[in-house]
Amino acid sequence: GQQVMQIPQYQHVQEGEDFTTYCNSSTTLSNIQWYKQRPGGHPVFLIQLVKSGEVKKQKRLTFQFGEAKKNSSLHITATQTTDVGTYFCAGLETSYDKVIFGPGTSLSVIP
Amino acid sequence: DTEVTQTPKHLVMGMTNKKSLKCEQHMGHRAMYWYKQKAKKPPELMFVYSYEKLSINESVPSRFSPECPNSSLLNLHLHALQPEDSALYLCASSQDAAGRFFGPGTRLTVL
Repeated sequence: GQQVMQIPQYQHVQEGEDFTTYCNSSTTLSNIQWYKQRPGGHPVFLIQLVKSGEVKKQKRLTFQFGEAKKNSSLHITATQTTDVGTYFCAGLETSYDKVIFGPGTSLSVIP
Repeated sequence: DTEVTQTPKHLVMGMTNKKSLKCEQHMGHRAMYWYKQKAKKPPELMFVYSYEKLSINESVPSRFSPECPNSSLLNLHLHALQPEDSALYLCASSQDAAGRFFGPGTRLTVL
């Protein structure tokens, strides 16, 4: 079956440094979604990418979808303590309703 | 209203108890989901309802029984659970293949 992998598993950065998490799928995806979960919270939907090679920005966050629609990345510029949490990518299988979550990247920001 | 609500927030139950988790959304989304999340793990899909009909059951044990009374409500009936079923239970909704809007979850402890 489809697998979604993410690296790194953990990342500790100094406040103001950049951060990137990478997501790879074993199969071609219909779309990829990104979620953020703060400690003790629930996943919050950030964005969805659909097109091959798509790039979207949300303030300091930049999301990319690979040309082959099998990989994606999330880049945060100049991290802040409010960026702390676990970032999950989730790939949508062509069977429509089944979104497969990656294991997540846990980000810590040292003030 | 862009919120998914869940009750109760916390639940402690014995292995012989019967309890129900409730979820409500008023975004007009036609797909609703139950996920189970263990600590430091991604959400794990349990059930999908599409247009109030159960469309996906991820081989969940029968001690978990979902119910969708109408397009806004989703219940999860629990009976004879095991301690390993202790987890955060998340409800989510979405419009078609778009991103999932998660509720705050019910933190369940089975004694």
